[in-house]
Amino acid sequence: NAGVMQNPRHLVRRRGQEARLRCSPMKGHSHVYWYRQLPEEGLKFMVYLQKENIIDESGMPKERFSAEFPKEGPSILRIQQVVRGDSAAYFCASSSSRGTLGDNEQFFGPGTRLTVL
Amino acid sequence: AQSVTQPDIHITVSEGASLELRCNYSYGATPYLFWYVQSPGQGLQLLLKYFSGDTLVQGIKGFEAEFKRSQSSFNLRKPSVHWSDAAEYFCAVGPLGDYKLSFGAGTTVTVRA
Repeated sequence: NAGVMQNPRHLVRRRGQEARLRCSPMKGHSHVYWYRQLPEEGLKFMVYLQKENIIDESGMPKERFSAEFPKEGPSILRIQQVVRGDSAAYFCASSSSRGTLGDNEQFFGPGTRLTVL
Repeated sequence: AQSVTQPDIHITVSEGASLELRCNYSYGATPYLFWYVQSPGQGLQLLLKYFSGDTLVQGIKGFEAEFKRSQSSFNLRKPSVHWSDAAEYFCAVGPLGDYKLSFGAGTTVTVRA
């Protein structure tokens, strides 16, 4: 039973390019969460998606960042016109249902490490 | 706003020795508390969690954690570490009735023979 898959594991982009990060949730999971870990900081919540819907994007920067979780295929976190400050590890988690932390464990992927030159 | 502090960035411990990782949180009420471990190349794995009740929580791989409300702490312990415990450990908190986790910056544990 495969866990949460993320690819690529490492991504290098030059300033101004686009970065696309993919997350395939665990089998049977339809809820996806993205977190960002800036250097020397903890993971911080960015966005929560259910199939074809954005439930909560309160942690996502207002510009250049977008996320989707289509009916078919992985969830995508897209960063347009990347800047050096976007260099971070981006983690994806999935859960089987919508619920609070008390009754709904989030399972995490290994992360994508984005480096912006 | 909630926050999590892991004061130790890196800890080195001998195999067979005991391990304690510190975690302090700042939050208006008692949140849900978690410890995760990330081995190289792997995703974060949940070690244990605390919601309520007994303040000493047992987890997987022989780990335990103790919640101390008066100190706003949730320290992780293991009596005897194995080489396979070398990893990065994250403490996390989440509000009751919510799904957003806030993490500490992590503590990297190195185990020497």
